[in-house]
Amino acid sequence: DAKTTQPPSMDCAEGRAANLPCNHSTISGNEYVYWYRQIHSQGPQYIIHGLKNNETNEMASLIITEDRKSSTLILPHATLRDTAVYYCIVRVGSNAGNNRKLIWGLGTSLAVNP
Amino acid sequence: DTGVSQDPRHKITKRGQNVTFRCDPISEHNRLYWYRQTLGQGPEFLTYFQNEAQLEKSRLLSDRFSAERPKGSFSTLEIQRTEQGDSAMYLCASSTTSGRMDEQYFGPGTRLTVT
Repeated sequence: DAKTTQPPSMDCAEGRAANLPCNHSTISGNEYVYWYRQIHSQGPQYIIHGLKNNETNEMASLIITEDRKSSTLILPHATLRDTAVYYCIVRVGSNAGNNRKLIWGLGTSLAVNP
Repeated sequence: DTGVSQDPRHKITKRGQNVTFRCDPISEHNRLYWYRQTLGQGPEFLTYFQNEAQLEKSRLLSDRFSAERPKGSFSTLEIQRTEQGDSAMYLCASSTTSGRMDEQYFGPGTRLTVT
């Protein structure tokens, strides 16, 4: 699985959009981009995933560049409860194959400030 | 609550003792994963099951570690002869092959402290 690079920390004002970047320059054609977050002392929480098209759900939006070498997770109106470590992970998305594990980096620690 | 549950949430043990953790996945999920997380690091993969079959084990899973999922439902992770380096958060996750993208849903974790 490809590796990812994320800034170690970011700050965001409450109510503003939080834009979290991720570089995955060695991503393969069959690898998806997944985002998880981990609030302090809790287990990680799935947020969103995508292949090449932009995706949106009730939690966030995912913007993937055309060359797929980077992506941005957008929290449109950040709240204090969005303070967490955000992890960007790439992995083959198909249910076929045995390589199902997630390989985690250090993530980005997002602090949402009042 | 139909999420992933783990028991106990916290465990303090003395070096050399054996400990066992339990994970109950989401009921319809046939895949179950164990990860370990130390302070300031992302989770590290340990092992995963599809139904009762253990399909992959990390090299991190030394001979002192063993995981089982006897009936393809709950799973246990045992650590024998614990060492201080085993102190970590042990996370369990589950997913389903009927899901399109195999998203993993995590439990709250078991925090192990070895003194």
